Amino acid sequence: QVQLQESGPGLVKPSETLSLTCTVSGGSISSYYWSWIRQPPGKGLEWIGYIYYSGSTNYNPSLKSRVTISVDTSKNQFSLKLSSVTAADTAVYYCVRQIAASGWALDYWGQGTLVTVSS
Amino acid sequence: QTVVTQEPSLTVSPGGTVTLTCASSTGAVTSGYYPNWFQQKPGQAPRALIYSTINKHSWTPARFSGSLLGGKAALTLSGVQPEDEAEYYCLLYYAGAQLGVFGGGTKLTVL
Repeated sequence: QVQLQESGPGLVKPSETLSLTCTVSGGSISSYYWSWIRQPPGKGLEWIGYIYYSGSTNYNPSLKSRVTISVDTSKNQFSLKLSSVTAADTAVYYCVRQIAASGWALDYWGQGTLVTVSS
Repeated sequence: QTVVTQEPSLTVSPGGTVTLTCASSTGAVTSGYYPNWFQQKPGQAPRALIYSTINKHSWTPARFSGSLLGGKAALTLSGVQPEDEAEYYCLLYYAGAQLGVFGGGTKLTVL
């Protein structure tokens, strides 16, 4: 069974860059799309963007100027960088597998990691 | 800005049937929006239920079904169980799946 695990600092200072990595186990990162989704405490879900295993990306226009998603197929990992963070970026960040051939289904989710932006 | 709207809250009795809907600010929802539905319980990651309007994941209980209803995407729970009490989110894709937008969520209470 495919499993995803987010990792990275739980606390980031304002104006700095948030960096998270998602490690995929139980399956190959190849041939799939991989997404990041976040959820501020007590609020709803927000789609951040996705990357294809080949490296092509697509980002939410509201975050596009600050987001970079990358992939390392040799390590079966993909990563998120969000620059110039503010308190509004405090959220649980989820990494998710996305299947284009199945109506862009978001099937397997990581457990999520809380990132707090505070000085 | 594209907005996806869901009922903020619904209440259903155990064994009953309830339909949650998902509307788009751009107009009628069609299969081309690839509606997805997710269930989230407190402290847990969302769990995928439905993709591409009507399709169930291998783990989706049979009592959950997806459809299009009156220009909206819909999720129907038939024979509701107490464990179905949760927040439910829909997701619609725009611009040929270049952009995914979640609805605000529906808090379903089983009472």
